[in-house]
Amino acid sequence: GENVEQHPSTLSVQEGDSAVIKCTYSDSASNYFPWYKQELGKRPQLIIDIRSNVGEKKDQRIAVTLNKTAKHFSLHITETQPEDSAVYFCAASISGNAGNMLTFGGGTRLMVKP
Amino acid sequence: GAVVSQHPSRVICKSGTSVKIECRSLDFQATTMFWYRQFPKQSLMLMATSNEGSKATYEQGVEKDKFLINHASLTLSTLTVTSAHPEDSSFYICSASRGQTQYFGPGTRLLVL
Repeated sequence: GENVEQHPSTLSVQEGDSAVIKCTYSDSASNYFPWYKQELGKRPQLIIDIRSNVGEKKDQRIAVTLNKTAKHFSLHITETQPEDSAVYFCAASISGNAGNMLTFGGGTRLMVKP
Repeated sequence: GAVVSQHPSRVICKSGTSVKIECRSLDFQATTMFWYRQFPKQSLMLMATSNEGSKATYEQGVEKDKFLINHASLTLSTLTVTSAHPEDSSFYICSASRGQTQYFGPGTRLLVL
């Protein structure tokens, strides 16, 4: 089955700096890669996603890049703010497989210091 | 759009009792819903895939007789933790699929005394 590795497990940055979180996946058939943000005690919230026919996607301060050949994808947050502090999860899925089941990475705890 | 609710948000129960958790997709129909368990500072662990009108698919190591799942309509799936024990205490989160995207409920914190 699919295996998703996520690094780093914790990341501390100064407010205004950029943060990068990287994930690798094992199944080359995976074609959908969402990123979720989870604040303490809250639900995971979808912040951005990318499909395998696209190499990069951007939404304001957040961008995701995908390298299908290397089977890795990354989340980039620019101009970080204290409210960006949370746990971020990457995930991968195969369209139509097991109801579009997601395989999650282990999570990255991002701390943005004011 | 794509709102998922979950009830109750927290529950405390005595060991040996059963607890039912409801997951609803409020503004869309979801053929497939998922149930996860999350331990503190850990990732989401998939317990089972809930399919409307059919039996749920359980992940390896998850007891189907202990964690009963019913998905009777396109907007409602329920998870019943039967004969709960303290080790079942956890944060349970559901999600509903809309296309290839999963939207999560707010979670249920279960404490078994």
